Formats: sequence, C-alpha cells, structure tokens
Amino acid sequence: DTGVSQDPRHKITKRGQNVTFRCDPISEHNRLYWYRQTLGQGPEFLTYFQNEAQLEKSRLLSDRFSAERPKGSFSTLEIQRTEQGDSAMYLCASTRGSSYNEQFFGPGTRLTVL
Amino acid sequence: AQTVTQSQPEMSVQEAETVTLSCTYDTSENNYYLFWYKQPPSRQMILVIRQEAYKQQNATENRFSVNFQKAAKSFSLKISDSQLGDTAMYFCAFETGANSKLTFGKGITLSVRP
Repeated sequence: DTGVSQDPRHKITKRGQNVTFRCDPISEHNRLYWYRQTLGQGPEFLTYFQNEAQLEKSRLLSDRFSAERPKGSFSTLEIQRTEQGDSAMYLCASTRGSSYNEQFFGPGTRLTVL
Repeated sequence: AQTVTQSQPEMSVQEAETVTLSCTYDTSENNYYLFWYKQPPSRQMILVIRQEAYKQQNATENRFSVNFQKAAKSFSLKISDSQLGDTAMYFCAFETGANSKLTFGKGITLSVRP
C-alpha cells in the first residue's frame, strides 16, 4: 500500500491553457473524490466516482472541468481554458465504499494560473 | 445544506499542555459522521479521529479526544500532552449521504511552542 499519489505536484500555466491532473488511489479503494482547496479555506468537494461511474458533481465544477476514471482505477481531472480563479490545490482522496470510512488523501496538485 | 464552522483561525499551545479546538456544524440530518483531519505543513491530510452521530460516547484516540454535543451541534477536539509534531492545520469535517462526501470547515492553524 503506497498511498494515494497525484501528478504533477505543481503546475504553473498561463490563462487560457488546458491542464490535466492525475490521481492514483489506493488499489483496493472503489471510491475516489476530488476536492479543491484555496488558500485559507478547507477543501471543497468537486466530484465523486464509485468505480468508473461519476456519481456526483458539485456546482463548483463548471463546464470547463471534466473528470474521468476510465477503468475504475486512476482518475484524471482536466480544466480547459484555465482562469486565474482556478488557482488552488486540487486534492484527490480514496476510500472503500460505505460511510464512515477514512478518506485517504493524496499530496495534492498545486495549480497556479498566471 | 450542511455547514461546518471553525471560528478560531489560529491557536498556539505550549508543548506538553492541553488545547481544545472548536467546531460547530449545521444539518437537518439525523444520521451523520464527524471527523477531524490534520494537514501538516506541506504534507498530506490525515485522519485524526472520527465520531458517529448516533453514538453518545465521545471518541478517543490516544492523546486525542472529542467532546460531541449533538443537541448543540458542537464537535470539539482536545489534544492532550501537545507535541511539536502536532503543529498543523486541523479541519473539522462532516459526512452524510450515500456518496460520503466530506464538508470541511475553514480549518484552524495550531502551533505548538517548544
């Protein structure tokens, strides 16, 4: 068990560019979550997968955001036409299905949009 | 909608002393779960302690314990015998619903002084 990993750890991009982040959850975890954390705030829920199915998306997730988990293992989060307001830490977490289980977080991808 | 409020942005405590971090929440749900997560500087978020709302007994994990007051919708974290390694941001979080997404407070920065 190597924990949740995210790649890249840091991304600097210019406004208008597209970026893609990857999350590799703990292998036996069927649930995967994306959160966004801005400076001085707690993480905010973006979207959730159970296996390969995306079951919930936050209203924070505008049309420029898309997430996939094609084989129920790793997940990608893409942001198209980035804006300065997208600058944040993007966190991925995974857990076994059912409530009350600990969510295991990755180190995050810090996005800076210039 | 659920909300989590952490009104103290920062706290400081002397090593070996006890500190209490406050958290209140608002929900109309009857069945839910509460968590405290720790985010050390530049490191991944990890679970500190969790509490099931239907359990009256307060959860305890070594030096960490909670004071859960369901009627008051309060969920405070007590850290006993504070250690330098406890220096971190602490987030109170709430979970309900089939998707088990977490709703976080803004967090509190705890500094342990030597």
